[in-house]
Amino acid sequence: AQSVTQLGSHVSVSEGALVLLRCNYSSSVPPYLFWYVQYPNQGLQLLLKYTSAATLVKGINGFEAEFKKSETSFHLTKPSAHMSDAAEYFCAVSEEFNFGNEKLTFGTGTRLTIIP
Amino acid sequence: GAGVSQSPRYKVAKRGQDVALRCDPISGHVSLFWYQQALGQGPEFLTYFQNEAQLDKSGLPSDRFFAERPEGSVSTLKIQRTQQEDSAVYLCASSSRSDRAHTEAFFGQGTRLTVV
Repeated sequence: AQSVTQLGSHVSVSEGALVLLRCNYSSSVPPYLFWYVQYPNQGLQLLLKYTSAATLVKGINGFEAEFKKSETSFHLTKPSAHMSDAAEYFCAVSEEFNFGNEKLTFGTGTRLTIIP
Repeated sequence: GAGVSQSPRYKVAKRGQDVALRCDPISGHVSLFWYQQALGQGPEFLTYFQNEAQLDKSGLPSDRFFAERPEGSVSTLKIQRTQQEDSAVYLCASSSRSDRAHTEAFFGQGTRLTVV
């Protein structure tokens, strides 16, 4: 069975500092990995996804993530935090694509706070 | 519409009451998913539709939960005899294709259900 672990339910960084949100996965087959962002009272928005092409994936809003099979990790980074990055971030994994049923298994989320 | 629309945004139900939650996916989207997000947790898969066919309902927690999508567009999630543990945000997502993996799923803002 697939699963995702997000280390750190809350992360605080200063504006302009590096953002690093950790995600480790467990999967019996090569996984497909996603990062979503959720702003207050809004739905989930896809930041980026890994689908076995390049291991370094670039997403929206300056975020990127690197797939490391040896470490079973897919950490999300951004070189310089902006106040607008404050939100909840979810890592998710999908193992299968069964007749369009690409259901996602999500981690418990990391709340990112930006300190002015 | 421009995005996935869910209604109502907020619902308070007395324990034992039946509720119906509505999802209007993006027009033309074939795949539709329902997720349940408990407080402080990541979303958990409930069920999947491809057009009007419910191909996966493995995530529905009990037989009190029922979902339908009779004409392949609007979907309704019904919960009978609500209990306090049903309190959560219910998210709907849709994607445009069922024949290609990793097609982005677009999420609605969710319906926050509180059972008192």
